[in-house]
Amino acid sequence: KNQVEQSPQSLIILEGKNCTLQCNYTVSPFSNLRWYKQDTGRGPVSLTIMTFSENTKSNGRYTATLDADTKQSSLHITASQLSDSASYICVVSAASGGSYIPTFGRGTSLIVHP
Amino acid sequence: ETGVTQTPRHLVMGMTNKKSLKCEQHLGHNAMYWYKQSAKKPLELMFVYSLEERVENNSVPSRFSPECPNSSHLFLHLHTLQPEDSALYLCASSQFRGGENTGELFFGEGSRLTVL
Repeated sequence: KNQVEQSPQSLIILEGKNCTLQCNYTVSPFSNLRWYKQDTGRGPVSLTIMTFSENTKSNGRYTATLDADTKQSSLHITASQLSDSASYICVVSAASGGSYIPTFGRGTSLIVHP
Repeated sequence: ETGVTQTPRHLVMGMTNKKSLKCEQHLGHNAMYWYKQSAKKPLELMFVYSLEERVENNSVPSRFSPECPNSSHLFLHLHTLQPEDSALYLCASSQFRGGENTGELFFGEGSRLTVL
């Protein structure tokens, strides 16, 4: 069964600090992994996409890593801002032959305090 | 209009009412989804339509009835709902290619439903 596990479930940090969110998956065959940011009461928005051959990808202060061997990904946020307070969701898609429905993690709730 | 638009943004209804949620995508995608998000829970897939044909019905109660008249529009008809159905209902679209969903899911802003 395809699964995506995220940790921690919630995280509180001070503004300006860095943090790292984790994602482990068992989706097979693997196609790609996306990190989404969901502000409270809004729809999720894609931050990054990682394919099998990519190890690191950055989008501003967000840097995602992927280890396809261990089936782990991380999202690192640098110099956090109050606007980073949101839920971060890891979503993994299967390649042809697998389920065409993306598998969602439960999300990590991040709160950035001033 | 760009992206995925959902209406209404907020809806309050009684358990005996009949209402509908509407979703419209302007991205030329060929797949549309309904997700349910309850408080402090992950997104739950409800229905998937690909090329206007329902390809997934994730054990959703019959009081939720989807309709996809064309590739740009998706409806969720609601009738005799229960208070536990109160949630944020998110519509999304993506592009299927050759049986693979490698495309990004584009979400609408959601419809916040409260059932009294």
